[in-house]
Order: sequence, then C-alpha cells, then structure tokens
Amino acid sequence: AQKITQTQPGMFVQEKEAVTLDCTYDTSDPSYGLFWYKQPSSGEMIFLIYQGSYDQQNATEGRYSLNFQKARKSANLVISASQLGDSAMYFCAMREGYDKIIFGKGTRLHILP
Amino acid sequence: NAGVTQTPKFQVLKTGQSMTLQCAQDMNHEYMSWYRQDPGMGLRLIHYSVGAGITDQGEVPNGYNVSRSTTEDFPLRLLSAAPSQTSVYFCASSGALVGNTIYFGEGSWLTVV
Repeated sequence: AQKITQTQPGMFVQEKEAVTLDCTYDTSDPSYGLFWYKQPSSGEMIFLIYQGSYDQQNATEGRYSLNFQKARKSANLVISASQLGDSAMYFCAMREGYDKIIFGKGTRLHILP
Repeated sequence: NAGVTQTPKFQVLKTGQSMTLQCAQDMNHEYMSWYRQDPGMGLRLIHYSVGAGITDQGEVPNGYNVSRSTTEDFPLRLLSAAPSQTSVYFCASSGALVGNTIYFGEGSWLTVV
C-alpha cells in the first residue's frame, strides 16, 4: 500500500547551516514521483522539488536538493545554507502512476538566528 | 492566472448543517483532490478524481461527498457537519503524468460549532 512517513515532527537549525528533512515511502508501483512542498505560516503550499522513480540523478533546485535512495525508499530534502525565511512546515508527497497523491505528516522547521 | 480557486475562504457551520466547498481550476488538469489539514496529522486525502465522471475515496472520506461533472470543477459536500470536521481544507489539481506539479488552492478554514 502507498505510504509516506516523515519521522521528524520538528527541527531547530542554526541559520546558515545545512538541514536534512527525512522522508521514507512505500510503494509496489515501479513508476512513482516524490514531491516536497513548503508551507509558511501564511498557509499557502509552495512546490520545492520533484524526483521521479526512473530519474538517474538526484534532483536539485537552487538551495534544495533531494537525496534519493531508491533501495532504501527514502527521499530526504536537503536545504543548504539555511535562511530565516526557511522556517516553515515541510511536506513530502508521493504519487503512484496516474493514481492519487498522498502526503506525510510534515516537519516543522525552525531556523534560529 | 487564476490556477486553483477555492471558496469560501472562511466558514462557520452549526452541527448538522450541510455545505459545499467549491473548487475550480483553469489549467485543464485531469487530476483533482481534496485534503484536510489538522495539527500533527499533515494533509490527509479525502476524495480524488482522475477525470470528469470519475471519483474515488481517499484516506478519510466519511462524512464527505464529491462529484466531477466537468474537468474544471470538483466540489466537496459536507452532508451533516460535525465538530470533528473542523479543519483547513485544500483543493489541489495536477496533470495526468506522475511528474506533473501539484497546484493548490489557498485553503478553506471551516469551523463546526
């Protein structure tokens, strides 16, 4: 069954440090996609990065990268050189083929000055 | 650039009342879905649709009804509101491909008293 797990309810990180947000998933479908979204305190959902199951390289988007370990079924988000504006809730999501999209419970990230 | 439009943004209901949350998208997306967001629970899938005339249940469908008569619209009906349905509701849409970006509405804050 399709499943997404984020085990870190909250994290505190010093500004300018790198941070890794964990995400593990479970699926039996060979074709799937993994997404990360950011939700600031204002409530909107902001797309950050995407990784496809057949992609050979880890996805990167500016300061965001996705550490994709297919055999371990993990898709961790790495934010380099964190900034105060990175303080937000972060959600990992998975989509199997043309089917539904499910989200994890999220990780609340606090960046300390 | 309307994207995904949800209405109303805020609503207070009395227990037992019914109401409909509206969701419309102008991107010709096949996939549409409704999520509810509760503290500590992440985004939980209520119902989803992979095309006009097709709907399916998500993780928490009880107490909610949906229909998809057109590609653009995907309303969510609360049949008899309960305090447990107090939540923030998000509508989302996406293209049919597994890697298509998921677009969200701004959210609807619903309180059932």
